[in-house]
Amino acid sequence: EIVMTQSPATLSMSPGEKAALSCRASQSVSSNLAWYQQKPGQAPRFLIYGASKRATGIPARFSGSGSGTEFTLTISSLQSEDFAVYYCQQYNTWPRTFGQGTKVEIK
Amino acid sequence: EVQLLESGGGFVQTGGSLRLSCTASGFTFGSYPMSWVRQSPGKGLEWVSYIDGSGDSAYYADSVKGRFTISRDNFKNTLYLQMNSLRAEDAAVYYCMGYYSWGLGTLVTVSS
Repeated sequence: EIVMTQSPATLSMSPGEKAALSCRASQSVSSNLAWYQQKPGQAPRFLIYGASKRATGIPARFSGSGSGTEFTLTISSLQSEDFAVYYCQQYNTWPRTFGQGTKVEIK
Repeated sequence: EVQLLESGGGFVQTGGSLRLSCTASGFTFGSYPMSWVRQSPGKGLEWVSYIDGSGDSAYYADSVKGRFTISRDNFKNTLYLQMNSLRAEDAAVYYCMGYYSWGLGTLVTVSS
């Protein structure tokens, strides 16, 4: 099983700042990586697939990069609605696995 | 607009069974694989099962293999998860996921 490790666990940021969230795979997942956003009491929301492709309707301030074992989700300028938990997931190998999440909180 | 709507959750005793459903609209359901993902209260996301568009191939997490069965009816645009021999650790919100979308989830409570 591929273990996905996200860091940091919590990111304390101010609105307008740039956030970089890391996701590391225990073995290569090529570019078969997705990012999701989840706000309290809500279902997750698709942000990024294929490591760097934005899902429909996702603002351009969200970008994904990386391949192999190292991935980054960047939010160029945090908006109030971006404070949430973010998960990465690999879909290269069975079983599919998620990272434990990074909480982006208001500083 | 893509919509995924789960139903069938509820309270069940340990060892019992439930069948979850997920009704899809807004995309060509039979052309896309679908998955079930669960989230225990206060915890992260756990992938549960996957089925391809035709329904011919399915995969399961080790934690549910042999107890859960995923299936789909492409004429009804509906995804299913039959859950048998339920355990306390199966209690969670169950989400269906597909076509770059998530449903709102359905809560499964398991108690002895």
